[in-house]
Amino acid sequence: QLQLQESGPGLVKPSETLSLTCAVSGGSISSGGYYWGWIRQPPGKGLEWIGSIYYTGRAFYNPSLKSRLTISVDTSKNQFSLTLNSVTAADTAVYYCARPLGGGGKYHYWGQGILVTVSS
Amino acid sequence: QSALTQPPSVSGSPGQSVTISCTGTSSDIGTYNRVSWYQQSPGTAPKLMIYEVSNRPSGVPDRFSGSKSGNTASLTISGLQAEDEADYYCCSYTNIDTWVFGGGTKLTVL
Repeated sequence: QLQLQESGPGLVKPSETLSLTCAVSGGSISSGGYYWGWIRQPPGKGLEWIGSIYYTGRAFYNPSLKSRLTISVDTSKNQFSLTLNSVTAADTAVYYCARPLGGGGKYHYWGQGILVTVSS
Repeated sequence: QSALTQPPSVSGSPGQSVTISCTGTSSDIGTYNRVSWYQQSPGTAPKLMIYEVSNRPSGVPDRFSGSKSGNTASLTISGLQAEDEADYYCCSYTNIDTWVFGGGTKLTVL
């Protein structure tokens, strides 16, 4: 059974960097065939697609976040990561990592989510 | 990219059918058959209900169906049950190799 688990700090100060990791178990990122994704949800609001990455390192980003965002993959650790620079209160959200059924989108496997609050 | 447009809320009585619309543009829904729908209950991760417009993952009841016409996709839930009460989100692939979600629709079962 594929499982994803987000980890990282729950509190980040404004203007600093938010870093999260998604650990994958029950399957190998390097087996290919999937674009592993990050999605976030501000409290009480809707879902926002952040970006996705293939095991080769090819990544796609939400244009509204692209200038501050880096998504990377570490196949040796079977995990992928998100780094968001210069955060503000608007980046406060539950951050989910997810894997699609195949290819991209159609996210079928999700982590439990991690709440990240941006506050001084 | 702009979020897809969904009605904020819909409601229906048990046993009835409800349809949730999701309107995009020719840059997303209108061009690609890569529309998915998610169900989300409070405090939980979203659950994939429909993918590629009208396909159901294993385990999703056939009461859930999807369709598309032009720039608008739709999710129909027939034989409404109390357990269907949740938030529903559509999602589409776009012409700039990204994905965009709708604003979400709250389904209330009366």
